[in-house]
Amino acid sequence: SQTIHQWPATLVQPVGSPLSLECTVEGTSNPNLYWYRQAAGRGLQLLFYSVGIGQISSEVPQNLSASRPQDRQFILSSKKLLRSDSGFYLCAWSLGRDQPQHFGDGTRLSIL
Amino acid sequence: RKEVEQDPGPFNVPEGATVAFNCTYSNSASQSFFWYRQDCRKEPKLLMSVYSSGNEDGRFTAQLNRASQYISLLIRDSKLSDSATYLCVVTPTSGTYKYIFGTGTRLKVLA
Repeated sequence: SQTIHQWPATLVQPVGSPLSLECTVEGTSNPNLYWYRQAAGRGLQLLFYSVGIGQISSEVPQNLSASRPQDRQFILSSKKLLRSDSGFYLCAWSLGRDQPQHFGDGTRLSIL
Repeated sequence: RKEVEQDPGPFNVPEGATVAFNCTYSNSASQSFFWYRQDCRKEPKLLMSVYSSGNEDGRFTAQLNRASQYISLLIRDSKLSDSATYLCVVTPTSGTYKYIFGTGTRLKVLA
């Protein structure tokens, strides 16, 4: 069966520091991969998605970037965090538009 | 108009009650539909996919009405553990791999 791993679970970073969040999927190949952010009490905001190695679609212009160096690995990065980057970051995978998404446990990011 | 709209609630219902949520979508060509539940400070978890003919999973029944462009979720015999936020998700037709999430309906089941 497929599993998704996302780490770390929580992160506290100072403003201006870099960020790297990693997500890996096991048990399937060529998944579609997604990064979302959820602010407290709000809905999910799609940040990036990828349908293949090296293919990244950006949904919201901001100081975040994403990379997919391997088929089942998706990384969210920032060179300099802003206070507004705080939130709950979720990675998800699916096998197609007609298939449901499955989420990792999420990373709760606090910017001091 | 939002692509996917849900009543934010909260719906406060007693244990054992039946409760129904609706979710409307704006794109008539939308392809697939899902219900997720999200507990406080947790990730969304798939509750059920919604099929054209309607489908049932235990106490949960999902319906799709393409003519009126809405999906529904019915929960029978509500349990305290059903308290959560229920998210409606729609996938558009061709040209994108995005999933469109509603902002969720909050359910509180009261003892």
